[in-house]
Amino acid sequence: KNEVEQSPQNLTAQEGEFITINCSYSVGISALHWLQQHPGGGIVSLFMLSSGKKKHGRLIATINIQEKHSSLHITASHPRDSAVYICAVCPFMNYGGSQGNLIFGKGTKLSVKP
Amino acid sequence: DVKVTQSSRYLVKRTGEKVFLECVQDMDHENMFWYRQDPGLGLRLIYFSYDVKMKEKGDIPEGYSVSREKKERFSLILESASTNQTSMYLCASSLITSGSNEQFFGPGTRLTVL
Repeated sequence: KNEVEQSPQNLTAQEGEFITINCSYSVGISALHWLQQHPGGGIVSLFMLSSGKKKHGRLIATINIQEKHSSLHITASHPRDSAVYICAVCPFMNYGGSQGNLIFGKGTKLSVKP
Repeated sequence: DVKVTQSSRYLVKRTGEKVFLECVQDMDHENMFWYRQDPGLGLRLIYFSYDVKMKEKGDIPEGYSVSREKKERFSLILESASTNQTSMYLCASSLITSGSNEQFFGPGTRLTVL
């Protein structure tokens, strides 16, 4: 069983739709990251969360530490939001993760049609 | 801004060749990582390093080696390239004191082994 599960794997939406991507994890964490990867490869950090909710423009990220679950929401989606969205968690040291390591989900490929 | 650069964006090599992938970061980060990314499998850790001349195996080290002679530079070596090493290779770096383990990624090298 993967320690970080994302759903859905693939998502196609029409421009303007509200989008939700989910991330569940099974280990204790100190932080969770949402990353974005556009076609062409480069990965950029969108959010880093340890509790609650963060908002940046049309993107909102939430985390529920007790339920080990996070969501990434995109409001009023646009074709330029088409990308792979990756959830990654920073495990507590006593879960065996070496200092500095992240555990990654497999990503959600989002395609927004005009 | 943290900048992580990789020596090539695209690389085509023949089976059996020795391949060097270079990664340089300019923010004095202690941790550096090499990942490969394949469709449906997400990011998988090959090797990481938390200090000069130090290296640790990740999840899939077979067929690879690494070198870290200077703090800013982390090299991935394919001793004898094989077709199953065709993939996107991503380098990342992070501060050792970062409690969230936020990583900064390079643009990636798409390697094709013929």
